[in-house]
Amino acid sequence: DTAVSQTPKYLVTQMGNDKSIKCEQNLGHDTMYWYKQDSKKFLKIMFSYNNKELIINETVPNRFSPKSPDKAHLNLHINSLELGDSAVYFCASSQVRDTYEQYFGPGTRLTVT
Amino acid sequence: SQKIEQNSEALNIQEGKTATLTCNYTNYSPAYLQWYRQDPGRGPVFLLLIRENEKEKRKERLKVTFDTTLKQSLFHITASQPADSATYLCALDRGSTLGRLYFGRGTQLTVWP
Repeated sequence: DTAVSQTPKYLVTQMGNDKSIKCEQNLGHDTMYWYKQDSKKFLKIMFSYNNKELIINETVPNRFSPKSPDKAHLNLHINSLELGDSAVYFCASSQVRDTYEQYFGPGTRLTVT
Repeated sequence: SQKIEQNSEALNIQEGKTATLTCNYTNYSPAYLQWYRQDPGRGPVFLLLIRENEKEKRKERLKVTFDTTLKQSLFHITASQPADSATYLCALDRGSTLGRLYFGRGTQLTVWP
């Protein structure tokens, strides 16, 4: 009965590889987000989708590509991983124009070696 | 660009005292201001939201104030307990883009017995 779930929890990979992180929410929310939290704990938005439409696309390298197959899922694919991509990635969801608060997943700790 | 500052990286107080955390922002005025709690290894958890036309909001031992003139929000935890130890994040929503939140770096609160 987890509200926002992410897989995997940990991801260790080498530079140059391609990896994906999956996110699912069972709250019936219409908007989902990807955030990156760096080593200094700064949480910064990367993307958001509202009803499967991309509405926020921050200045993120185009090696990062989100994909929303339906309202309950938002995946993040990363190509050609670099050392600087190491961080914790959080998925979140909300029902905008209603309650506004965001519900976060447990995070995926990505380590690029 | 939006800048959010939380008064200090760390705050240590004794159990039973009131913890007061500060969030200052520059440039644009937010339509909403939210506070989240983050425990180590977990995603942020929503605590309280206050709107620009509200001065104060309470929830159990938590109180948030919002002063748009000072561009500041204060977050209070009364009768603090060791279980309140966590990092507290302030987040601003300008209301212009669906669900777009600007997060501060957080204040790590430690409540000692």
